[in-house]
Amino acid sequence: DGGITQSPKYLFRKEGQNVTLSCEQNLNHDAMYWYRQDPGQGLRLIYYSQIVNDFQKGDIAEGYSVSREKKESFPLTVTSAQKNPTAFYLCASSLTGVGEKLFFGSGTQLSVL
Amino acid sequence: SQQGEEDPQALSIQEGENATMNCSYKTSINNLQWYRQNSGRGLVHLILIRSNEREKHSGRLRVTLDTSKKSSSLLITASRAADTASYFCATPGRAYSGAGSYQLTFGKGTKLSVIP
Repeated sequence: DGGITQSPKYLFRKEGQNVTLSCEQNLNHDAMYWYRQDPGQGLRLIYYSQIVNDFQKGDIAEGYSVSREKKESFPLTVTSAQKNPTAFYLCASSLTGVGEKLFFGSGTQLSVL
Repeated sequence: SQQGEEDPQALSIQEGENATMNCSYKTSINNLQWYRQNSGRGLVHLILIRSNEREKHSGRLRVTLDTSKKSSSLLITASRAADTASYFCATPGRAYSGAGSYQLTFGKGTKLSVIP
């Protein structure tokens, strides 16, 4: 089955801790994205990558970091600098990354202990 | 830098009725997309309409686009309880630094409840 896999489904972060959210795709897509969704809100772009070893900041990149060492993988690290990390995080991919159809994972709910 | 705004924010209808949701946007676009999100899940792409199209159908979905009014509507006919979800419109909103390409921006969505 082709698709995007996010893990874990639920994650808890302690004060001062960095946590990493996993995102893997087997769709052979060039572009991958991370969005943050707060309750009752739309999606806000954190980071995106259109090609391996390259990524760009979105609207709310502060307190987050990413890497794109492999085409299939785009992990997101929520650092201790992100003071309000509680949210639903969604990973997505698209064929080339130019405003086209996105395929989404099932999301990770991050909460602060 | 929100581009699309859905209206209404929430909609409650009886099963079998039609549901209409609207989306307004601010700048010129080359396409507009609609997505569905079930509670606690990822988004699922429903339909993409290009700027040179006025109407598009997919099963019980009908999407219209009026570029002169910068608006789009999503009509779900003969709704079912399984249509209960949030619906988002998305447009290529802005170019981010160093990329030169336009990334999708999403509205806050319309929460549809279909009562059996």
